[in-house]
Amino acid sequence: NAGVTQTPKFQVLKTGQSMTLQCAQDMNHNSMYWYRQDPGMGLRLIYYSASEGTTDKGEVPNGYNVSRLNKREFSLRLESAAPSQTSVYFCASRPGTVFRPQHFGDGTRLSIL
Amino acid sequence: ELKVEQNPLFLSMQEGKNYTIYCNYSTTSDRLYWYRQDPGKSLESLFVLLSNGAVKQEGRLMASLDTKARLSTLHITAAVHDLSATYFCAVESREGAQKLVFGQGTRLTINP
Repeated sequence: NAGVTQTPKFQVLKTGQSMTLQCAQDMNHNSMYWYRQDPGMGLRLIYYSASEGTTDKGEVPNGYNVSRLNKREFSLRLESAAPSQTSVYFCASRPGTVFRPQHFGDGTRLSIL
Repeated sequence: ELKVEQNPLFLSMQEGKNYTIYCNYSTTSDRLYWYRQDPGKSLESLFVLLSNGAVKQEGRLMASLDTKARLSTLHITAAVHDLSATYFCAVESREGAQKLVFGQGTRLTINP
């Protein structure tokens, strides 16, 4: 059972470089999410997609863009990476039916020098 | 704006003891989730609480929800080392479709 797959698992970037984090789910879920996790701050929502073809900003969207490529895939792009974006990034998905928990990927550990 | 606060943030306890983690939130909601995270790992869903007075139990963990007090608790009974992890509560906002706001997490260490 693959669930939610994130690539890459680790990445080091230099300030100003761009990068796309990939996320794919095989559970036929409608909704997908991108979070960042920083020490002592829990998870903060960056962007989400309630259904294929829609995306919306979360709590901390500045410096990021997203693409819901199809129902399975939801990518997160850093156009010009900054040290403040050093974090662990989690992708999650959820069925369209509400009241169900989100399923999380294993995370991408991103360091920006 | 929905805010979620957990306490304590760090908890070290002995095996066999009981303890409670608290999750307070600032605006009306009746949908609350508890997750577990092991170091360097992903988040695993533990409980889904969907109404006032809801209580869920799994092994040594029991979660409850009081929507009037805007409070959820995660109670650990007779703790064992395997329960060492970080526990997060997350509250679903009524404003935004299916958005979760997470607490800061409680890092639980259970010593033999």
